[in-house]
Amino acid sequence: GENVEQHPSTLSVQEGDSAVIKCTYSDSASNYFPWYKQELGKGPQLIIDIRSNVGEKKDQRIAVTLNKTAKHFSLHITETQPEDSAVYFCAACDSWGKLQFGAGTQVVVTP
Amino acid sequence: NAGVTQTPKFQVLKTGQSMTLQCAQDMNHEYMSWYRQDPGMGLRLIHYSVGAGITDQGEVPNGYNVSRSTTEDFPLRLLSAAPSQTSVYFCASSHPGQGGEQYFGPGTRLTVT
Repeated sequence: GENVEQHPSTLSVQEGDSAVIKCTYSDSASNYFPWYKQELGKGPQLIIDIRSNVGEKKDQRIAVTLNKTAKHFSLHITETQPEDSAVYFCAACDSWGKLQFGAGTQVVVTP
Repeated sequence: NAGVTQTPKFQVLKTGQSMTLQCAQDMNHEYMSWYRQDPGMGLRLIHYSVGAGITDQGEVPNGYNVSRSTTEDFPLRLLSAAPSQTSVYFCASSHPGQGGEQYFGPGTRLTVT
């Protein structure tokens, strides 16, 4: 089955700086890679996703890159704001259609 | 649309008790799943269903049962609660196959004493 590793586990950034979270996956058949944001006391919510036929996708201050050869993908948040503080999860959809999640990254944006 | 709803929000059980966590969705999604979330371990798949009458095990199925009699509902049953089942449980739904966004419910925080 799919195995997803996510780094770092915690990330502290100054407001206005960029944040980068990296994930690797093991199943070469995976072709859908979503990122979820989870705020305290709530369920995860999709913020951006990328499919394997695309190398990069951007949505305002959030971007995701995918390197299928190396089996890694990354989330980039630019001009971070306090409301970006949350836990972020990467995931990979395996060949059966099931999502395998990374362990999560706690992002703290300090003013 | 209410999306994915879960009840209860909080529950405390004694070891050995049984209970059912409820999950419902109104988006006509065929795929539904249950995850548990523990500190430092992300979300782990317990059971999933690709449609009414069809269920299968995920990564951590022991101690849990599911059934899917309708498209809308996917209850999770704890047969005999154990302290190791203390966790936050999330239900999710999506259209099946690769590439379907999963919508998560608000979660149920379960404590087993």
